[in-house]
Amino acid sequence: DIQMTQSPSSLSASVGDRVTIICRASQSITTYLNWYQLKPGKAPKLLIYGASILESGVPTRFSGSGSGTEFSLTISNLQPEDFATYYCQQTYSLPVFGGGTKVEIK
Amino acid sequence: QVQLQESGPGLAKPSETLSLTCTVSGVSISDYYWSWIRQSAGKGLEWIGRKHSSGNTDYNPSLKSRVIMSLDTSKSQFSLSLGSVTAADTAVYYCARESLLLLEGYYIDTWGQGTLVTVSS
Repeated sequence: DIQMTQSPSSLSASVGDRVTIICRASQSITTYLNWYQLKPGKAPKLLIYGASILESGVPTRFSGSGSGTEFSLTISNLQPEDFATYYCQQTYSLPVFGGGTKVEIK
Repeated sequence: QVQLQESGPGLAKPSETLSLTCTVSGVSISDYYWSWIRQSAGKGLEWIGRKHSSGNTDYNPSLKSRVIMSLDTSKSQFSLSLGSVTAADTAVYYCARESLLLLEGYYIDTWGQGTLVTVSS
């Protein structure tokens, strides 16, 4: 089974900051990596698929990169509505999510 | 606009079967994969499985022995049955649509709001 490790598990940041979340796969998943945003009481939201493709309607301050085993999600110019929990997901084999990263207000 | 809505009992008894239904609107249920994902309190997301109207079905190996998914194209609904439940199955259950592209693979592009199911006697 492919394991997905996200880091950090939580971070504190301020509005306007640049934030980077790392996701590592236990083996190569090429670019079959997606990123989601979760907020309490709301439907989760797809941000990035195929490691770097921005989903339609997602602000361009979100970006994804990486291939193989190491990936990142970057949020530039953090906005109040970006405080949430973020998950990576590999779909190279049966889907597995990372452990999540909670982005909190500093 | 694609919308998904979960429905079903919010309470299940230990050892019994948890059953949920997802009603799809705004798109044909025949054209995509339909999935279930759950999130236990204080824990991360767990993919349960997916099903296509063609019959193609994939389940999480850790749950496979207890899961059955089905589609009713006439009602535009898909369902989850999880048997022999325990307290560890208490979670928010999400239904979702999975898209598949050749180069990008599978990704979940639409989610329901989620429904809490508690397993307790």
